[in-house]
Amino acid sequence: DVKVTQSSRYLVKRTGEKVFLECVQDMDHENMFWYRQDPGLGLRLIYFSYDVKMKEKGDIPEGYSVSREKKERFSLILESASTNQTSMYLCASSTVRLVPEQYFGPGTRLTVT
Amino acid sequence: SQKIEQNSEALNIQEGKTATLTCNYTNYSPAYLQWYRQDPGRGPVFLLLIRENEKEKRKERLKVTFDTTLKQSLFHITASQPADSATYLCALDHSGGYQKVTFGTGTKLQVIP
Repeated sequence: DVKVTQSSRYLVKRTGEKVFLECVQDMDHENMFWYRQDPGLGLRLIYFSYDVKMKEKGDIPEGYSVSREKKERFSLILESASTNQTSMYLCASSTVRLVPEQYFGPGTRLTVT
Repeated sequence: SQKIEQNSEALNIQEGKTATLTCNYTNYSPAYLQWYRQDPGRGPVFLLLIRENEKEKRKERLKVTFDTTLKQSLFHITASQPADSATYLCALDHSGGYQKVTFGTGTKLQVIP
């Protein structure tokens, strides 16, 4: 079974802090994604990566950066957290070799105070 | 502008009936469309994918149709059960091969015993 894990289920940070969200997948998937999910707005893509060290901006990249140094790990970085970044963050992965379904992690509920 | 619309209101149906959820889109030419299920506090789980050249796809009690002329997909759950209660998301690929999809906001389905 594919497993996507995220470093924390719940996280509380202060405004201005640098925040790291980690995601690891164990199925050798090429693609990895970071989304945020907010009520009424649905899932919105922040960044995605289709290979190690490769990244592409999604629909809402402002205020975020990412890092993919190893194939299995994709990190989302909030350089200076703000209250409007309070949200549920979801990581996903997929492979180009089979049906392009995305496997999601359990999510990190981030609160910025 | 590009838009994906799902019924924002919850859908309540009686157990045993067929639930039909709608996904409409504008200004996309998707290579494929996916449906996911999301339970509260969890990441979405992939259910079905239908490609642009397919009219219908089935999997057990699930059926998806795709009409690229109407720009609409219908998702059916036959013989619905209370365990089918969840939020259902549609997602369109528009990245030409990078598996970058855009999600609708989802429809919450409640199956009443």
